This record gives sequence, structure tokens and C-alpha cells, in this order.
Amino acid sequence: NAGVTQTPKFRVLKTGQSMTLLCAQDMNHEYMYWYRQDPGMGLRLIHYSVGEGTTAKGEVPDGYNVSRLKKQNFLLGLESAAPSQTSVYFCASSFLHYEQYFGPGTRLTVT
Amino acid sequence: QQQVKQSPQSLIVQKGGISIINCAYENTAFDYFPWYQQFPGKGPALLIAIRPDVSEKKEGRFTISFNKSAKQFSLHIMDSQPGDSATYFCAAKRGSQGNLIFGKGTKLSVKP
Repeated sequence: NAGVTQTPKFRVLKTGQSMTLLCAQDMNHEYMYWYRQDPGMGLRLIHYSVGEGTTAKGEVPDGYNVSRLKKQNFLLGLESAAPSQTSVYFCASSFLHYEQYFGPGTRLTVT
Repeated sequence: QQQVKQSPQSLIVQKGGISIINCAYENTAFDYFPWYQQFPGKGPALLIAIRPDVSEKKEGRFTISFNKSAKQFSLHIMDSQPGDSATYFCAAKRGSQGNLIFGKGTKLSVKP
């Protein structure tokens, strides 16, 4: 039982490049989330999903897209990376919107 | 109204002391108040949570105190240990469909 896993753990991108972050959970949770964590800013919700095939915007969705084609996976895409997207990205899942289980994070640097 | 304000930003406590972290909110519709603990290089993990129908919840050395009238809640860590050194986030949510709103975090260092 791996919980929530994230791929990759680290990534360096050049401005304008694209990439996809993969989140997988094996707890059969309906709800999944993508957050970004920046120093002094706490955790800010980017997008979330309340079930397979559904997505919704969070607090800071601009510049990101998501897809939830399978219940266990939640993908976060950056179409044209910008230095402002340098951050640590966390995926989480939950049964309802209560206890959220977080992955180990992806550290992304955009140069 | 959606904000959760957390203080202090950082806290240094001697081993064996009491660590206290405070959070305040404006939205009276919030009905679930968790605290998350995050160690360096790891994702946050749920530490303890409270609902507004109780004023205090204790789990081991960790206690949440909740003051509904003041719209404040706090985390108390008794007998703080170096292993408690981490970043702590308070959060709040409204109803079964509301998302968690996180505070900005408190970095706790417990000195031996």
C-alpha cells in the first residue's frame, strides 16, 4: 500500500517548456488535489477533482491544466513553464474533503 | 472571509517546553479545523483535528484548543521534543464539499 506517489521527484525546465506531473493513489479515494508550496505562502490549491472525469479550479489555477482519466491518477500539466512556477508541488487525495493524504512532493525549477 | 491567519511564522522552544501556535479565521461557516505536520522534504500529514462542537481535543502531547466566539484555535505541544521540529499548518473547511483553506505555516525548532 504505497498511499500517494508522485512522479518525478525533481525536474528542471527552461522557460517555455512543457511537462506533466503524475500523481497516483491506491486508497480508492474519490477526491484528489494539486497544491503548490512556496516559502511563506503555505499550501495553495491549484486544481482538484471530486471523481473520475471531473476537475475544478482552485485558488491559483492559471498556467496549469489537469486531467483525471482514471480514478487513481491525477495529472498536472504545465503547457509553457514560467519562472513563477518554480515551486514544490504536492498531490493529495481524500475520501471526502476531510483528511487529505499527501504525496512526497515534486520540486520544480524553471530557469 | 476565506483566509486562515496563522502565527507565529517561526518558533524556537527548548526541549521540554510548551509550543503554542495560533490560528484565526473569519468565516463562521467553517466546521472542521485540522492541523498538519510537515517534516523537511516530506508531504504534510494530518496531526489532529477538531470540530466546533468541542472546545478542546487532546492526542498524546498534542492539544487543540478551540474558541468559537473568538474565531480562534491553537495547537499546544506539551513537553516539546527535538523530533517535533517541523512546519505546522492549520487549516479550516466548510461543510462536506468545501476545500481546505491552509494557514501559511509555522516553522518550529525545538532545541535540545
